[in-house]
Amino acid sequence: QQQVRQSPQSLTVWEGETAILNCSYEDSTFNYFPWYQQFPGEGPALLISIRSVSDKKEDGRFTIFFNKREKKLSLHITDSQPGDSATYFCAASAYQGGRALIFGTGTTVSVSP
Amino acid sequence: DPKIIQKPKYLVAVTGSEKILICEQYLGHNAMYWYRQSAKKPLEFMFSYSYQKLMDNQTASSRFQPQSSKKNHLDLQITALKPDDSATYFCASSQQGYQDTQYFGPGTRLLVL
Repeated sequence: QQQVRQSPQSLTVWEGETAILNCSYEDSTFNYFPWYQQFPGEGPALLISIRSVSDKKEDGRFTIFFNKREKKLSLHITDSQPGDSATYFCAASAYQGGRALIFGTGTTVSVSP
Repeated sequence: DPKIIQKPKYLVAVTGSEKILICEQYLGHNAMYWYRQSAKKPLEFMFSYSYQKLMDNQTASSRFQPQSSKKNHLDLQITALKPDDSATYFCASSQQGYQDTQYFGPGTRLLVL
């Protein structure tokens, strides 16, 4: 049973558009949600993260919106650039759940110039 | 200079053999991890170590054994290799505490024939 779900599986946007990536989770004890960006042949790299006490986190063109009641969050990439083409993973952890990050299946974003 | 080194980058093994995946981190972190990424499953947490002690183990099989000879080393020994073990194995590290940012290495891509 997948604890962290992501949609869509893949997404294509034009340069300058906003890409919206969705994530949902089941475990109500999850309280930390990092998003990782991964390019082919490389390891994942932290992009932005949010804790469950907040409903929004912004870092440049990347914004996380968090809805604790619905157990959903989304990553918005505004003014998408071709360099943003990558796979994005939503992850979650619970403070009492050890140090494990539970990853979703990822969303592959392609930005067309 | 790369802060997390994984060796080798690629590895081909025959079924039933044994291999060791090397990980060294130069971030001064006290916690290290192993994750696995395959075509069939998302990034999957395997182990976490803190100050060279095993903290979390979510790998059901005893064929996977982490080894920490130094504070900044966490190798992964895999015995009796199976084709299903084919995956990319990522080492990660973090400062120490729960929900500190985890930084990932470039991965070792293992193919078991």
